Parts: sequence; structure tokens; C-alpha cells
Amino acid sequence: AQSVTQLGSHVSVSEGALVLLRCNYSSSVPPYLFWYVQYPNKGLQLLLKYTSAATLVKGINGFEAEFKKSETSFHLTKPSAHMSDAAEYFCAVRGGGNTPLVFGKGTRLSVIA
Amino acid sequence: NAGVMQNPRHLVRRRGQEARLRCSPMKGHSHVYWYRQLPEEGLKFMVYLQKENIIDESGMPKERFSAEFPKEGPSILRIQQVVRGDSAAYFCASSTPGGSYNEQFFGPGTRLTVL
Repeated sequence: AQSVTQLGSHVSVSEGALVLLRCNYSSSVPPYLFWYVQYPNKGLQLLLKYTSAATLVKGINGFEAEFKKSETSFHLTKPSAHMSDAAEYFCAVRGGGNTPLVFGKGTRLSVIA
Repeated sequence: NAGVMQNPRHLVRRRGQEARLRCSPMKGHSHVYWYRQLPEEGLKFMVYLQKENIIDESGMPKERFSAEFPKEGPSILRIQQVVRGDSAAYFCASSTPGGSYNEQFFGPGTRLTVL
């Protein structure tokens, strides 16, 4: 079975500051990890995914995440926050094949001018 | 290539009525997933379908909820005799057959309000 814990339901940063959104996972099989972003009243958009090719994964909009097996973590970072980054961010894990995604509860990111 | 389409975008029902939510997957996608998002919660898996088959319905409530993905036409999530607790956003996602890294593409969701 898989599960995801996102620490911090709400994170607030200043424009230009580092963004760090935390995600820890639990999985009985090698995990397949994803970060999605949801803008208000919109569907989810894939930011990046861990494919085991590299532990540091680069995604869209300047985001990246590092897979750390020893810490069972997959934290999302961005060096410099932009106002347009304000949204809800979801970490998700799945097992093998076409199994469904298991989502964390989400972290709402606010960016202050 | 149009994305995943869901309709209606907003649906209001009174208690006891039926709600029908439609999902048209992306062209070439034969796998459909339904998720429910309750306020202040993440998305919870409900059901996974392929054309004419339910593959995994472990997340579906045992009563009042059903889903189908016919050979022709959109996937339908049906909720009979809706109750206030059914108020939520319902998201559909689609993907191609393939491996674990296959991306699921999400629709904009249907926001159901039960009065």
C-alpha cells in the first residue's frame, strides 16, 4: 500500500524567496512519485515525476524535486517564487502499472509581494 | 488535441435527486480514473475503468454510486439519491495504456453541490 504525507497545509513565502514544499511517502513497492499543481477552480497539471533515471527531477515553471530514498522524501523546490506560483500543490504516489494515484492532502502556497 | 473534458462544470442537485457526471478522455486514451476532492482534502481515488470494463472500484462507496465507460461515448459517474455529503469536486483523469510513469491527464472537474 502507498501513502503520502505533505507537511504544512499552507505555506507563505515572499516573492523572490525560496519555495520548499515537503512530501514524505510510504510504499511497499518501488514508488512512482509525482507533483501536481492546481489553480483555483481548475484541474490538476503535472509539474514533474520521478522516473528513477535521476534523483533530482526538473519540472515545468522552474520547479524541481529530489528523491531521497533514505528519507522517503520527495520535496518540491523553486529557487525564486513568483506571484503566479500561488496555487495548491499535491504530491502523489502510485504502485506499478496503471494503478491509481494516491494523493497527499495538498499544500496551499501563497506568494506575498 | 483537446484535453480531458468534463461536463457539466457545475451541478446543483437537491437531496434525493440523481447526478450524472460525464468525462470524455483525451483522444487515444483508453484508461479513465475518477477522483473525488472534498473541501480541504486531497483527491481520493474512486474507480478505474477501461473501455467496457471496471478494473478497480475499491474507492467507490458501496451504495448509490456507479460508473461506466462504454465502447462509444464518455465515461459516466452516476450518483443516485444524492445527500449533502456528496457535495465535492469530481475529477476525471485519462491515460494511455503503459507503465507506471504514464501521466494521468486531468479534466477541469465537476463541482457538485447538493442542497
